[in-house]
Amino acid sequence: GAVVSQHPSWVICKSGTSVKIECRSLDFQATTMFWYRQFPKQSLMLMATSNEGSKATYEQGVEKDKFLINHASLTLSTLTVTSAHPEDSSFYICSAADLLEETQYFGPGTRLLVL
Amino acid sequence: RKEVEQDPGPFNVPEGATVAFNCTYSNSASQSFFWYRQDCRKEPKLLMSVYSSGNEDGRFTAQLNRASQYISLLIRDSKLSDSATYLCVVNSNASGAGSYQLTFGKGTKLSVIP
Repeated sequence: GAVVSQHPSWVICKSGTSVKIECRSLDFQATTMFWYRQFPKQSLMLMATSNEGSKATYEQGVEKDKFLINHASLTLSTLTVTSAHPEDSSFYICSAADLLEETQYFGPGTRLLVL
Repeated sequence: RKEVEQDPGPFNVPEGATVAFNCTYSNSASQSFFWYRQDCRKEPKLLMSVYSSGNEDGRFTAQLNRASQYISLLIRDSKLSDSATYLCVVNSNASGAGSYQLTFGKGTKLSVIP
């Protein structure tokens, strides 16, 4: 399957700081990438859909000013958690849409811990 | 009604057993169906797509019943390494190319016991 990387894999930060997470599709061009969040023992919840060259589409209940998404190229999307708070601590996973297989390949995820 | 519903689990089975996972989806316009596997504290990984005619990949068999909006996954001769959470996933995009948004079930945890 396709390869998607995510960086960093772990982040520990103080409350109030901003954290940037990068998602890259390494062997294919992804016009669409997705950002998910998963709390312990919960299912993946889609936060937003990121389209190259246009604004992201956010799911209901997700604050677009808090979770800034930029999809500047066909291989890179970034998620910035602004002014992070302890309740933002979670497992953030990106995925890239594979148009041929009509499915998504996931990055390894980023664990964020806000103290 | 939840969009994608799965057996709550967990399933604890001995090595060599056959185990079946069931899933139902609510959107009759759904186009594509998948089973993903997620190991503890890892990202989901595509296990297999599910085709209308049913498909098999080694010890894994997936079935789709569009009339009943039901998907299944059968694992034969289960191995210790099969222990994971199995996610039923549906692509409900009905408008063709351009959107591949997936809806995930909550997953069913499988533990294969020696």
